[in-house]
Amino acid sequence: DSGVTQTPKHLITATGQRVTLRCSPRSGDLSVYWYQQSLDQGLQFLIQYYNGEERAKGNILERFSAQQFPDLHSELNLSSLELGDSALYFCASSPQDREAFFGQGTRLTVV
Amino acid sequence: AQKVTQAQTEISVVEKEDVTLDCVYETRDTTYYLFWYKQPPSGELVFLIRRNSFDEQNEISGRYSWNFQKSTSSFNFTITASQVVDSAVYFCARITAVSFGAGTTVTVRA
Repeated sequence: DSGVTQTPKHLITATGQRVTLRCSPRSGDLSVYWYQQSLDQGLQFLIQYYNGEERAKGNILERFSAQQFPDLHSELNLSSLELGDSALYFCASSPQDREAFFGQGTRLTVV
Repeated sequence: AQKVTQAQTEISVVEKEDVTLDCVYETRDTTYYLFWYKQPPSGELVFLIRRNSFDEQNEISGRYSWNFQKSTSSFNFTITASQVVDSAVYFCARITAVSFGAGTTVTVRA
């Protein structure tokens, strides 16, 4: 158990819908990262937050947004979903630019 | 973008053989961290090892060892005496500028 909790574990939704993925980092970790893993794209970095502030941005679509709350949990919002958004979404946390510990992921299926 | 390249897409070995995974990274930073992660068939990502950029000492941890060479920007990872449970996808990654390699699928046959 990495100490990072992601909910839900599985999500099935229709195209055009909006979903929210939630991540609770390890106790004390200020950094939260979001990654998307699909079969054809590998593990893609989406965005990083550090203590509530956006720190780095990767290949995150405009339809996607994230935030980190004062209690350090984070949410990834995916809207206007397309079939191609089906993927495994990982959240990871770390103290500060050190090893990141990953949650078990949320498997999103868009139908 | 500062890339991490894992040239090997798949490696298949017989149990007890050694497996070496290659990783080459790009960097403009003087300080950075390199990591290896394992993703078994169950899907979770498991942290294996970390190396910081100012310590080139190579180490062994159990059946895992790594060879970090700053001069060639390489961070190779070796599994000694592989076991079937080592079958997984292995990712090389770096921070700062969070980047993962494409992963190398290791299959260990009994």
